[in-house]
Amino acid sequence: GAVVSQHPSRVICKSGTSVKIECRSLDFQATTMFWYRQFPKQSLMLMATSNEGSKATYEQGVEKDKFLINHASLTLSTLTVTSAHPEDSSFYICSASSGKDPYTQYFGPGTRLTVL
Amino acid sequence: DQQVKQNSPSLSVQEGRISILNCDYTNSMFDYFLWYKKYPAEGPTFLISISSIKDKNEDGRFTVFLNKSAKHLSLHIVPSQPGDSAVYFCAASSMASGTYKYIFGTGTRLKVLA
Repeated sequence: GAVVSQHPSRVICKSGTSVKIECRSLDFQATTMFWYRQFPKQSLMLMATSNEGSKATYEQGVEKDKFLINHASLTLSTLTVTSAHPEDSSFYICSASSGKDPYTQYFGPGTRLTVL
Repeated sequence: DQQVKQNSPSLSVQEGRISILNCDYTNSMFDYFLWYKKYPAEGPTFLISISSIKDKNEDGRFTVFLNKSAKHLSLHIVPSQPGDSAVYFCAASSMASGTYKYIFGTGTRLKVLA
């Protein structure tokens, strides 16, 4: 149980384009979903927290207009990187937690974004 | 300001022996801690958690110890197996904040030698 999927697993795009990453909880209802970014050999940095049906809460320093997050249902959250630049290239990971156990987060496999 | 620190970037252990991974934190508001295991190009996998009302939690080969006064926790893996080779992250949260957000350490790469 507690499986979280992400799609795509890898994406390469041109500078200036937008990229959408999907995060799905496959066998539980995700009350809360989190989006992280990981740079090589560094820790996971929380970008934003999203609760189903409400606006995402962004961490300090994360541009909400650049990283659009939508949590439209209890099983799906999307992260859209708008007008991507090479510095947005990174490994993006989502996690999900349920109302039954809000303190345990289950992570997706991650999405490797490369912006040319 | 790194609130959660894993000072050893890497650790090598012989198969069958004990692996001890350490984690230190600075924020005294943290009261719930998790350990995750991560393989390259994959998301982290939850291993074990501990609340600040306990000083030890055990699950099979994995035991987490919490020393609140020292703001230190450790993960013990006994016996270590080659499949345990991965990067291990500790993460800390404040239940009182009600946000369920975690601060992650930078990870320790464990290599278990056959």
